[in-house]
Amino acid sequence: DAKTTQPPSMDCAEGRAANLPCNHSTISGNEYVYWYRQIHSQGPQYIIHGLKNNETNEMASLIITEDRKSSTLILPHATLRDTAVYYCIVRGTLGTYKYIFGTGTRLKVLA
Amino acid sequence: NAGVTQTPKFQVLKTGQSMTLQCAQDMNHNSMYWYRQDPGMGLRLIYYSASEGTTDKGEVPNGYNVSRLNKREFSLRLESAAPSQTSVYFCASSEWTGGPVEQFFGPGTRLTVL
Repeated sequence: DAKTTQPPSMDCAEGRAANLPCNHSTISGNEYVYWYRQIHSQGPQYIIHGLKNNETNEMASLIITEDRKSSTLILPHATLRDTAVYYCIVRGTLGTYKYIFGTGTRLKVLA
Repeated sequence: NAGVTQTPKFQVLKTGQSMTLQCAQDMNHNSMYWYRQDPGMGLRLIYYSASEGTTDKGEVPNGYNVSRLNKREFSLRLESAAPSQTSVYFCASSEWTGGPVEQFFGPGTRLTVL
């Protein structure tokens, strides 16, 4: 599974869009990009995933570059409850089923 | 649906003691996982079970054993606890659909080994 690189921390004003980048330059063709978040030591929570097209759900949008070497998670209107550690994970669908978590980005939403 | 449940929520052990962490899921998932998370770190996979009857080592299996008791339950055992095993332990489960797989996590067990 490809390795990911994320900034260790970011701040965002409440009500503004939070854009969290992830670099995965060694991603291969069958590997998906997943985003999870972990709020205050709770279990991680799934946010969204994508292969090559941009994806949107009720929580967030995922923008994947055309060469798939990087992606951005967008929280369109960040709230204080979005303060969490956000993990970008890349994995394929074949073979084992495991995720490899890095240290993520600690997002702090400021009032 | 309760999702993924873990017991106990907190535990304090002395070095050399043994214990079993319990995990159960009610989503009829095939695959289950045990992770540990040390302070300020991401999650690391200890063991996983792709389906009932199978288990495999993850990144950090030393000092642990697992049992996939049935489709619902996956337990993690520490035979002789060490201070280095002080951590938060998360259990997770997922379906296997042949496509992208979302993992569902439990609330965690906070273990301290003195």
